[in-house]
Amino acid sequence: NAGVTQTPKFQVLKTGQSMTLQCAQDMNHEYMSWYRQDPGMGLRLIHYSVGAGITDQGEVPNGYNVSRSTTEDFPLRLLSAAPSQTSVYFCASSPDGSSGANVLTFGAGSRLTVL
Amino acid sequence: GQNIDQPTEMTATEGAIVQINCTYQTSGFNGLFWYQQHAGEAPTFLSYNVLDGLEEKGRFSSFLSRSKGYSYLLLKELQMKDSASYLCAVSDSNYQLIWGAGTKLIIKP
Repeated sequence: NAGVTQTPKFQVLKTGQSMTLQCAQDMNHEYMSWYRQDPGMGLRLIHYSVGAGITDQGEVPNGYNVSRSTTEDFPLRLLSAAPSQTSVYFCASSPDGSSGANVLTFGAGSRLTVL
Repeated sequence: GQNIDQPTEMTATEGAIVQINCTYQTSGFNGLFWYQQHAGEAPTFLSYNVLDGLEEKGRFSSFLSRSKGYSYLLLKELQMKDSASYLCAVSDSNYQLIWGAGTKLIIKP
């Protein structure tokens, strides 16, 4: 099993450009999520999904869109990149999001720089 | 508001024991997690506590006191490969994870 696969690993954008971070998992997990990780701060939830066709906002959703057309894929779209979106992005999945023992499996991360 | 506190950085010696503390204030509690994150890599799951007490898993143990809003991760027989950041996270009333900023553990020979 590949687990959670994120692409690209590195990306440099100019302010105002748009792009999509791809995330795919092959574990048949219902719950998928996107986090951003910035120095000195905890992981912050951007968007999450508890199943195909269902998405919801996390703590820091502004400037990002998601969709969940299949169980496997959960892409994150940056609509108009801003320097404040420079960060490391992690996709994570778990069997479901409705239990306390929600152990997340993370992708390898995508480092995004916005100039 | 919701808050997770853990020390920013700790240093320990190879072969020794280190305890990393985590205190939390959250709206509801559905368990506490510890994850390990090596530099430039993704977090990986270490432990989960939902009841008070100590959970032991090899060289790593995790303790929880719900009444005190407190947990610690205990690492024994430290190895150089244990140099990493250790992230504490609490599952709140909506099963969403609230994350601490992480503790960077430096192991010296």
